[in-house]
Amino acid sequence: GAGVSQTPSNKVTEKGKYVELRCDPISGHTALYWYRQSLGQGPEFLIYFQGTGAADDSGLPNDRFFAVRPEGSVSTLKIQRTERGDSAVYLCASSQGGSSYNEQFFGPGTRLTVL
Amino acid sequence: AQKVTQAQTEISVVEKEDVTLDCVYETRDTTYYLFWYKQPPSGELVFLIRRNSFDEQNEISGRYSWNFQKSTSSFNFTITASQVVDSAVYFCALSELAGAGNMLTFGGGTRLMVKP
Repeated sequence: GAGVSQTPSNKVTEKGKYVELRCDPISGHTALYWYRQSLGQGPEFLIYFQGTGAADDSGLPNDRFFAVRPEGSVSTLKIQRTERGDSAVYLCASSQGGSSYNEQFFGPGTRLTVL
Repeated sequence: AQKVTQAQTEISVVEKEDVTLDCVYETRDTTYYLFWYKQPPSGELVFLIRRNSFDEQNEISGRYSWNFQKSTSSFNFTITASQVVDSAVYFCALSELAGAGNMLTFGGGTRLMVKP
């Protein structure tokens, strides 16, 4: 079956612009996660959705970052007034449930470059 | 707060050598899960194993084996008879049972280079 997909695969933008990153989870997976991976580091948690609601957004670095999942499937990560420090690979993952034992399946990521 | 440390940032071995990747974790929870993921050059994280905190049995899967020791808060990963295709970045991760969801806390990763 299809895995987690993310679009675009690469995004180059200018400082101050607005960007949207999309994640299509595995069909039927109720839990969806966003992580950010800076060069040479491990992924860092941003936000977790259970269904349509953001159950934990404690990882969002500031109020320029926002994410939605209006129908409990596709999610969009939105970044306003981008800064050069936002450059990273943004990873999306989904799992069947929101429990700790549920394996998270990761997408290929969106590489964001802010010039 | 939870934390995962992978002290080895890079390891280089010659094909057929055995190699162990170290992982040390910190958590206040008594119930938690530990994971290993592989990130090949293509970039996609690939799940390798999950272990819960109550199961300290070592596990072997083909050339891969894992050694979980609660007493030292370690969850080490050994590749036996390494192959060039094992070259990748390997991440250890921790998930606590408490909290709203099972967010993963990752270590910094170990880049493994297997030379022919």
